[in-house]
Amino acid sequence: KQEVTQIPAALSVPEGENLVLNCSFTDSAIYNLQWFRQDPGKGLTSLLLIQSSQREQTSGRLNASLDKSSGRSTLYIAASQPGDSATYLCTGNQFYFGTGTSLTVIP
Amino acid sequence: DTGVSQNPRHKITKRGQNVTFRCDPISEHNRLYWYRQTLGQGPEFLTYFQNEAQLEKSRLLSDRFSAERPKGSFSTLEIQRTEQGDSAMYLCASSYLSGSGNTIYFGEGSWLTVV
Repeated sequence: KQEVTQIPAALSVPEGENLVLNCSFTDSAIYNLQWFRQDPGKGLTSLLLIQSSQREQTSGRLNASLDKSSGRSTLYIAASQPGDSATYLCTGNQFYFGTGTSLTVIP
Repeated sequence: DTGVSQNPRHKITKRGQNVTFRCDPISEHNRLYWYRQTLGQGPEFLTYFQNEAQLEKSRLLSDRFSAERPKGSFSTLEIQRTEQGDSAMYLCASSYLSGSGNTIYFGEGSWLTVV
């Protein structure tokens, strides 16, 4: 069974900081790596998808990378804003999720 | 495109009763997934369909759980003889599997409280 670990479990930063969230998999056979955000009591909102042939994807202030050899992905958030406060989750191949990183951006 | 729709959004039921959740995927999406999520945890995969075929159901939590997707459109998740431990949010997601990837899109979830 694939195990997904997300580090850190929680993060609190002042507005404007750049930050990195980490996701690692026990099985490096990842062919779809997707990052989501989840607001309290809500469903998950897709942020970025990295296909197996890709190494990274960018959307606005977000950049996600995937290192298949090590089974690791990072989500980089530039110039954080209070509206970025949420839980961020990653999944490999849609079946296994980490427990998420709870992000708080302080105004 | 109206997104993934789930109903009901909230359900309170007495222990031992049966409950059914419905999911309407994004139009033309060929894959549909069900997950369970409890507080502080990530979604836990339960089952998925490609069109009307249920390709994986070994992850359903017990034989009290069943899912259907008649005609490859909407799907239902039924929980029979509910237990207090079934209290959770049940999430549905859909995707269109193609050569350019498999982005999944989630609904807002259905909250179940078993009393």
